[in-house]
Amino acid sequence: DAGVIQSPRHEVTEMGQEVTLRCKPISGHDYLFWYRQTMMRGLELLIYFNNNVPIDDSGMPEDRFSAKMPNASFSTLKIQPSEPRDSAVYFCSWGRSYNEQFFGPGTRLTVL
Amino acid sequence: DQQVKQNSPSLSVQEGRISILNCDYTNSMFDYFLWYKKYPAEGPTFLISISSIKDKNEDGRFTVFLNKSAKHLSLHIVPSQPGDSAVYFCAASGPGGGSNYKLTFGKGTLLTVNP
Repeated sequence: DAGVIQSPRHEVTEMGQEVTLRCKPISGHDYLFWYRQTMMRGLELLIYFNNNVPIDDSGMPEDRFSAKMPNASFSTLKIQPSEPRDSAVYFCSWGRSYNEQFFGPGTRLTVL
Repeated sequence: DQQVKQNSPSLSVQEGRISILNCDYTNSMFDYFLWYKKYPAEGPTFLISISSIKDKNEDGRFTVFLNKSAKHLSLHIVPSQPGDSAVYFCAASGPGGGSNYKLTFGKGTLLTVNP
């Protein structure tokens, strides 16, 4: 158990709909990350936060993607509007030491 | 532009034999390297890491080798066990001696260990 809850675990939606993915890491971490995994591109970093502040969002593919971290134990990744090419598994992870990150189980998103 | 490359999408080995997973990188600023293991329907889990000041790190059945001049690292698993069957991701970070949290991952290699 990596101490990360992601919801929903599976999401199926139609193109154009808004999608919100949620992450609840255990408290006491310093860093929180959002990743996307696809067959074509593997595991890509989208954005990461330090002490709830976004540090690097250069991996966010488009303005349709946004992420927030209102407090130390909750973060959201929103896609609006969603497109079929957004279909992927989205992971949230947290880090406290410099050499490890702890990943949640992921949310499998399918956009029809 | 893939800065971390795992050129073998899959690898199959017999139980008890050695598994060797390879990873190449292009960014000379990377100074910390990690391997993660991922089972289906789960998130990746940390396996082993190595700093660029070393060329080898060992942890039980797992050993990571780093060849900085070739920009190449490998993960050796010996002996391989059926429970090792998973996708293995190579990751790199830097500069920062590991204090740079931003990880760049390869696409992964699916290891299958046959009984």
